[in-house]
Amino acid sequence: RKEVEQDPGPFNVPEGATVAFNCTYSNSASQSFFWYRQDCRKEPKLLMSVYSSGNEDGRFTAQLNRASQYISLLIRDSKLSDSATYLCVVSLLKAAGNKLTFGGGTRVLVKP
Amino acid sequence: DTAVSQTPKYLVTQMGNDKSIKCEQNLGHDTMYWYKQDSKKFLKIMFSYNNKELIINETVPNRFSPKSPDKAHLNLHINSLELGDSAVYFCASSQKGREDGYTFGSGTRLTVV
Repeated sequence: RKEVEQDPGPFNVPEGATVAFNCTYSNSASQSFFWYRQDCRKEPKLLMSVYSSGNEDGRFTAQLNRASQYISLLIRDSKLSDSATYLCVVSLLKAAGNKLTFGGGTRVLVKP
Repeated sequence: DTAVSQTPKYLVTQMGNDKSIKCEQNLGHDTMYWYKQDSKKFLKIMFSYNNKELIINETVPNRFSPKSPDKAHLNLHINSLELGDSAVYFCASSQKGREDGYTFGSGTRLTVV
């Protein structure tokens, strides 16, 4: 079983619509959670951290369910520029250092 | 003023060659990483250095040898390149103790022919 699993998509989303997707993680000791965005042939960039109480950043809302070990991302009022691959990331802080484990990504295509 | 810079951006080389990729960060971070993204787009950690000390080494063939001359630089040398080494290699940096993720370089696309 992969440490972080995501539906690869693609999620085809009409412009202006809402899309939501999630990921599951296997290590219950994971401590920090993030969503990264990766555009085609570019590096991953931090979209937002995910906090236990859930958090919002503009049109993006992230939720964490530690009991079920899943993280979700919701995008409201989708823009064409939201088309990208969204990477679910979990962190396990050890004495040896901060190791981020990436899911395989969920591809989102926003269409006019 | 790029925060994490990698060179070269593209690298095409023949099997059996030895090549190096360089990475530098100007963020003042104390920890640097190498990640590999294969054709299936999975990003996997290879190495992590904190203040020039190797702290994570994830089952990487010993043909791969990282070197950190100082905390702002982390280079990756690959010996006897194989077809399966073709991938995008990302350098990243972070500050130990801060849980706000990494800053990635723009990647080096390695193609072994």
